[in-house]
Amino acid sequence: DGGITQSPKYLFRKEGQNVTLSCEQNLNHDAMYWYRQDPGQGLRLIYYSQIVNDFQKGDIAEGYSVSREKKESFPLTVTSAQKNPTAFYLCASSIGRYREANTEAFFGQGTRLTVV
Amino acid sequence: AQSVAQPEDQVNVAEGNPLTVKCTYSVSGNPYLFWYVQYPNRGLQFLLKYITGDNLVKGSYGFEAEFNKSQTSFHLKKPSALVSDSALYFCAVSGLDSNYQLIWGAGTKLIIKP
Repeated sequence: DGGITQSPKYLFRKEGQNVTLSCEQNLNHDAMYWYRQDPGQGLRLIYYSQIVNDFQKGDIAEGYSVSREKKESFPLTVTSAQKNPTAFYLCASSIGRYREANTEAFFGQGTRLTVV
Repeated sequence: AQSVAQPEDQVNVAEGNPLTVKCTYSVSGNPYLFWYVQYPNRGLQFLLKYITGDNLVKGSYGFEAEFNKSQTSFHLKKPSALVSDSALYFCAVSGLDSNYQLIWGAGTKLIIKP
């Protein structure tokens, strides 16, 4: 089945640690996105990538880093510089190609990160 | 500046009654409008979109939405609500202002009571 897979589903981080969230898609989509979701708030864009080896900061990129070495993979690292990382993280993909904004995004099931 | 407003944090509807979840937007040029649904601790699922053409758009699970350009609205509707429709609903818009990136509403919690 085609889809987008996030792992792990739950993740616990100690203060000062970096953690990496995995996102893999087999939809052959060019564009991939990372969002953060906090209770009572909409989705906030962390990073996005329209093509392999290229990515752009979103609205809340500070304390996060990404890579896009393969078309199907877009891992997100939450660094120790992110002061309030506890949240629900969502990865998404779409056909992309910059101006094809009329295509819908497909979402993974999310990773819930908790600082302990 | 581009924005999306979902004016109701929560909507309560009795099962079998019609439901409406409201969305208004502000974006330059012709907007692309989307509705997504999220069940607890899950990702978002696409419901429907308006790109161009007929103002009434039909989507998954019996949902539909009406694009109203003069009122800059894109309300989500369903003629007869089911308890299983209870979820969090997000409206999103993209357009020239946002460099065609999606701008998200804050979400509306829909509760359908038996």
